[in-house]
Amino acid sequence: GQSLEQPSEVTAVEGAIVQINCTYQTSGFYGLSWYQQHDGGAPTFLSYNALDGLEETGRFSSFLSRSDSYGYLLLQELQMKDSASYFCAVMDAGNMLTFGGGTRLMVKP
Amino acid sequence: DGGITQSPKYLFRKEGQNVTLSCEQNLNHDAMYWYRQDPGQGLRLIYYSQIVNDFQKGDIAEGYSVSREKKESFPLTVTSAQKNPTAFYLCASRTSTATEAFFGQGTRLTVV
Repeated sequence: GQSLEQPSEVTAVEGAIVQINCTYQTSGFYGLSWYQQHDGGAPTFLSYNALDGLEETGRFSSFLSRSDSYGYLLLQELQMKDSASYFCAVMDAGNMLTFGGGTRLMVKP
Repeated sequence: DGGITQSPKYLFRKEGQNVTLSCEQNLNHDAMYWYRQDPGQGLRLIYYSQIVNDFQKGDIAEGYSVSREKKESFPLTVTSAQKNPTAFYLCASRTSTATEAFFGQGTRLTVV
C-alpha cells in the first residue's frame, strides 16, 4: 500500500515563506505531485517531481529526495489568496494516484 | 471547452438507497479516478481505471461500484452497503503519459 504524511496545519504571515513537508511510503514510486484546494472547490495541480531536486514554478517550488522518501512544497511571497489546503500525492507505475491528508495553510495579514 | 464534469453538484438520498454519481470527460484521458473527501480530511481513493472495461479498487472500495464502458465516462454507484456515504466525491482524469490530474467540481452527497 501507499501512505503519505504531512502536517495538518500551518500558519504564516503575508509576504513570508512557508514550507510544507511530505513523507511517503510506497511501492513502485513514480513521482510526487502537489495540489491546491480552496474550501469547497476542486483540487488543482501545482507541481510534479519524478527526480531528485528542486522544481520552480513562479512563487511555488517543489523538492524531492527519493532516497529519503521525502518532499516539500515551498511557497514564497505569501498572499492571502494562498490560504488553502495543500496535498501531496504519489503516483505509482500502475497509475494509482494516492493523496496525503492535506495541510491547511492559513495566511494572516 | 474541454473538461471533466460531475453531476449533480448536490445529491440527497434516503438511507438504504443506491445512488449513482456521474463523471464525464472530453479530454480524451485514459485514466480516471474517484475519491471521497470528508470534512477537513484528505482525498481517499475509491476506484480507478486505466483503460476502458478495466478498473482497480483503491483504499476504500467497499460499498462502492464502478463501470468503464466508455472512455469518456466513469460513473460511481454508492450502494446501501456503504455504511457512511455522506461525503464530498471527486472525480479526476489524466492521460497515461502526463503527471497532472484534472478534477471535476465534485458532488456533495447527503444521505438522510
